[in-house]
Amino acid sequence: DIQMTQSPSSLSASVGDRVTITCRASQTISSYLNWYQQKPGKAPKLLIYATSSLQSGVPSRFSGSGSGTDFTLTISSLQPEDFATYYCQQSYNTPFTFGPGTTVDIK
Amino acid sequence: QVQLQESGPGLVKPSETLSLTCTVSGGSISNFYWTWIRQPPGKGLEWIGYIYYSGSTNYNPSLKSRVTISVETSKNQFSLKVTSVTAADTAVYYCARGGGSYSYWGQGTLVTVSS
Repeated sequence: DIQMTQSPSSLSASVGDRVTITCRASQTISSYLNWYQQKPGKAPKLLIYATSSLQSGVPSRFSGSGSGTDFTLTISSLQPEDFATYYCQQSYNTPFTFGPGTTVDIK
Repeated sequence: QVQLQESGPGLVKPSETLSLTCTVSGGSISNFYWTWIRQPPGKGLEWIGYIYYSGSTNYNPSLKSRVTISVETSKNQFSLKVTSVTAADTAVYYCARGGGSYSYWGQGTLVTVSS
């Protein structure tokens, strides 16, 4: 199985901050990397697919980059509704696997 | 707008079979992959497997011997069965559309394994 790691595991930030979350795969996954946002008690929401493609309806302050094994999710200006847990997921090889998550909370 | 809704028992006894159904509305089940994902309380997401509308499947090897995913196109539904459950199978179970990335999800249903 491809192992996914994320850093940091949690971070505290203020509204308006630029936030970057890193995801690393245990082997190359080309650009088969997706990002999700999950709020408590809710299903995950797809933000970014194929490393950098913005899902329809997702604000443009979210962006993704990377290739191979190293990827990033950037929130350019954190908004109150962005406080949540973020997961990366590889869809290169089954079993598809998720990172452990990064929780973004209010500083 | 496509909507997915999980249904099934919220409590299953150890060693028994967990059975869930996902009903798809607002769109056809045809021509898509359909996936089950679970999340133990307070933990991360685990991919269980997917089924194509035609019936081909792909399962997580960690669960493969206990999992069956099936589809009933006439009802616009697909289902999950997990046999011989233990407390480790306690989780919120989500159904989702897609084979790799998931743009539509059900709200999730908590299944507790306990006697």
